[in-house]
Amino acid sequence: DAGITQSPRHKVTETGTPVTLRCHQTENHRYMYWYRQDPGHGLRLIHYSYGVKDTDKGEVSDGYSVSRSKTEDFLLTLESATSSQTSVYFCAISELQGDYGYTFGSGTRLTVV
Amino acid sequence: GDSVTQMEGPVTLSEEAFLTINCTYTATGYPSLFWYVQYPGEGLQLLLKATKADDKGSNKGFEATYRKETTSFHLEKGSVQVSDSAVYFCALRSLNTGFQKLVFGTGTRLLVSP
Repeated sequence: DAGITQSPRHKVTETGTPVTLRCHQTENHRYMYWYRQDPGHGLRLIHYSYGVKDTDKGEVSDGYSVSRSKTEDFLLTLESATSSQTSVYFCAISELQGDYGYTFGSGTRLTVV
Repeated sequence: GDSVTQMEGPVTLSEEAFLTINCTYTATGYPSLFWYVQYPGEGLQLLLKATKADDKGSNKGFEATYRKETTSFHLEKGSVQVSDSAVYFCALRSLNTGFQKLVFGTGTRLLVSP
């Protein structure tokens, strides 16, 4: 969707290598989220951010780290990629802690071989 | 913790058939409820929402009613089209989580044939 972009869209990487996924927004929304989508599990929250340099863990944060040095960018890093991290990764943004729902990016398909 | 349970898919229907996708939830307090739709190769899009008991969310012919007594938020559409083929996710946001995080169900794939 316009307003939120993820890069890269597809990536294949080798086990043990670090990988960084980028989420960029032009909406100036305060809140940003990283989810992973896997068959049978739906979407699971990895990390989220409630402001510049303010981040916290979600339910499946092991093996992942995040950084947010600017409002518009939220980076997800796999410190040492494993095959279990093969997944589709979605970034989402929201304006307020209200009932506005989330806006999602188009996703990054990551394959770890 | 808070959770959402959806019916397993795929749901396979012919065009113009009636659609129901079941969703029940477990949460403390009074959560807001959402349906999201994911078309092939895309991210999730908000389809409809309801913020309190007996509210009905509606959009594009889809409807869902927030039923507190049965803790349910079933998605319905009177006449599906081939273009409705997608994965549908039920989600909740609880006021008691301390932070606005959405909890998603596992998704239900809908396949509509001509």
